[in-house]
Amino acid sequence: QQQVKQSPQSLIVQKGGISIINCAYENTAFDYFPWYQQFPGKGPALLIAIRPDVSEKKEGRFTISFNKSAKQFSLHIMDSQPGDSATYFCAASYSGAGSYQLTFGKGTKLSVIP
Amino acid sequence: DTAVSQTPKYLVTQMGNDKSIKCEQNLGHDTMYWYKQDSKKFLKIMFSYNNKELIINETVPNRFSPKSPDKAHLNLHINSLELGDSAVYFCASRQNPRQGGTEAFFGQGTRLTVV
Repeated sequence: QQQVKQSPQSLIVQKGGISIINCAYENTAFDYFPWYQQFPGKGPALLIAIRPDVSEKKEGRFTISFNKSAKQFSLHIMDSQPGDSATYFCAASYSGAGSYQLTFGKGTKLSVIP
Repeated sequence: DTAVSQTPKYLVTQMGNDKSIKCEQNLGHDTMYWYKQDSKKFLKIMFSYNNKELIINETVPNRFSPKSPDKAHLNLHINSLELGDSAVYFCASRQNPRQGGTEAFFGQGTRLTVV
């Protein structure tokens, strides 16, 4: 059972444009929603994360929008740069019993073209 | 100083062999994971340990056996390797999520190729 659904699978954006990646989750017990960035040949690294008590979190050009009622969250990359080209993963976890699970979406390969 | 280190980075081996991948973290975390990333980049959890105790054991063939000699190390041993085992294996560590741990730190991965 895939608990976190991510789309699109791939995304091509012009330099300076806005990249948007969407995720939907099923388990309402999730209370931590991170986004990870992975460059080729490297391990994933935390980019930005949000908890469900806020609807938006911004760090530089990266913003997470969170819609608790719709069980959806998205990553927006403003002024996308070629250096942002990477694979992005949304994830979810929770603090209760069995909380060791950290479930990832299937990833979005972002290509920012000059 | 690498936070989560895996060895080896590349591993090429023949079908039927037995191999091990080692992972060490110097972050003082209690929780460690093994993930498998296939050719489509999907990150699938295999195992999770907390303080040397197996917590999560997903549907993984029993040819895969994790071992945690102490909470800073989580090794993965694979018996009778098959072509389908070819993938990148990531080790990760995290402060105990039940104690507020959030960010997971990943190693650089081990690319296993079975020929």
